[in-house]
Amino acid sequence: NAGVTQTPKFQVLKTGQSMTLQCAQDMNHEYMSWYRQDPGMGLRLIHYSVGAGITDQGEVPNGYNVSRSTTEDFPLRLLSAAPSQTSVYFCASSYSFNGPVSTDTQYFGPGTRLTVL
Amino acid sequence: KQEVTQIPAALSVPEGENLVLNCSFTDSAIYNLQWFRQDPGKGLTSLLLIQSSQREQTSGRLNASLDKSSGRSTLYIAASQPGDSATYLCAGHQGGKLIFGQGTELSVKP
Repeated sequence: NAGVTQTPKFQVLKTGQSMTLQCAQDMNHEYMSWYRQDPGMGLRLIHYSVGAGITDQGEVPNGYNVSRSTTEDFPLRLLSAAPSQTSVYFCASSYSFNGPVSTDTQYFGPGTRLTVL
Repeated sequence: KQEVTQIPAALSVPEGENLVLNCSFTDSAIYNLQWFRQDPGKGLTSLLLIQSSQREQTSGRLNASLDKSSGRSTLYIAASQPGDSATYLCAGHQGGKLIFGQGTELSVKP
């Protein structure tokens, strides 16, 4: 298994541009989520999905859109990039959430480092 | 609102020392608690996950405990090695979300 993959690894945008961060997993996980990591703020949840066709907002959803058309993919769209969205973005997945230990472990991708000028 | 705190923020120890990293949370309604390791510029690697009905989990030189009544979890690392140098993060599973602490940056000196 490739696990959780994210593309691109690095991206530089200008203010106002839009882009999509890709996330895919090949473990047949139902639960997928996006986090951003900022110095002094830690990791914060942006959006999450408990299965194909189902998404919900996390702690910091403004400026981001998600959709989940397949079990494998969970793209994150920046609608109009702002300097405040400069961050490292992580995608995570698990087979279940609030379930047994064996299936609840969250697996993280390698991250996308985004800079908005 | 759930808050997760990790103390200390940074720790430097000589190789071979046993050490304890602390994690505290304000709301006992967490379901599971997970410890991660993050190397500089890398993603998060899961170390241990403790379900709320359990009190501890062990993997090799690592032992994690959970006491929901006191709102605390600890990660014990035995016989530390320079390769253990990384940032260690704890996260509470609650309501479909992971609530992260700020992490403890560990440096193990040869």
